[in-house]
Amino acid sequence: NAGVTQTPKFQVLKTGQSMTLQCAQDMNHNSMYWYRQDPGMGLRLIYYSASEGTTDKGEVPNGYNVSRLNKREFSLRLESAAPSQTSVYFCASSVSCAFFGGACSGANVLTFGAGSRLTVL
Amino acid sequence: AQKITQTQPGMFVQEKEAVTLDCTYDTSDPSYGLFWYKQPSSGEMIFLIYQGSYDQQNATEGRYSLNFQKARKSANLVISASQLGDSAMYFCAMREGLYGGSQGNLIFGKGTKLSVKP
Repeated sequence: NAGVTQTPKFQVLKTGQSMTLQCAQDMNHNSMYWYRQDPGMGLRLIYYSASEGTTDKGEVPNGYNVSRLNKREFSLRLESAAPSQTSVYFCASSVSCAFFGGACSGANVLTFGAGSRLTVL
Repeated sequence: AQKITQTQPGMFVQEKEAVTLDCTYDTSDPSYGLFWYKQPSSGEMIFLIYQGSYDQQNATEGRYSLNFQKARKSANLVISASQLGDSAMYFCAMREGLYGGSQGNLIFGKGTKLSVKP
């Protein structure tokens, strides 16, 4: 049972280059999320997709775009990478709250991928 | 204002002793959930324990328990009988709007690094 799979695990980019982080889950979850983790900052939400066909901005969306390709896959794209985007990126998924009229069981746990460490020079 | 505050950047505990990791939260929503995740040095995020705002009893999961004080808006994680493998970063997180309006995402604190000494 793979859970949430992210690729690549490591990537080094030069300023201005573009790249896409891939995420796929096999748990039949409807909701998917992208977070970034920086030292001393915890995890901050970049974008999320409450259900297939929808995406919304989180706390720190600037410089990123996302695509919910299908129910399983949610990609994060950096169009023109900047050193400030050096970070560890986590994809996560969960059962959707939207399907219950927004009422979300609190025990609806986010399952995380292993993370992708991105360095922008 | 921060929604989740973890005031202890780092803590040490002796093996086999209990340790409490602090978490306070800020919300005006009456329906919310509080989560604790563990992040070992390998980097993965591991769910530990959950507490709902309307739960009558404090949550427990094995050696983990959550000391939930609703009036004080605190949700401290207690680890009993610490083990060397407990050395990790610990994150407190909150989900608001459990009974309407939630998009499911969690808001995280900045974390506490726990080191267990042999």
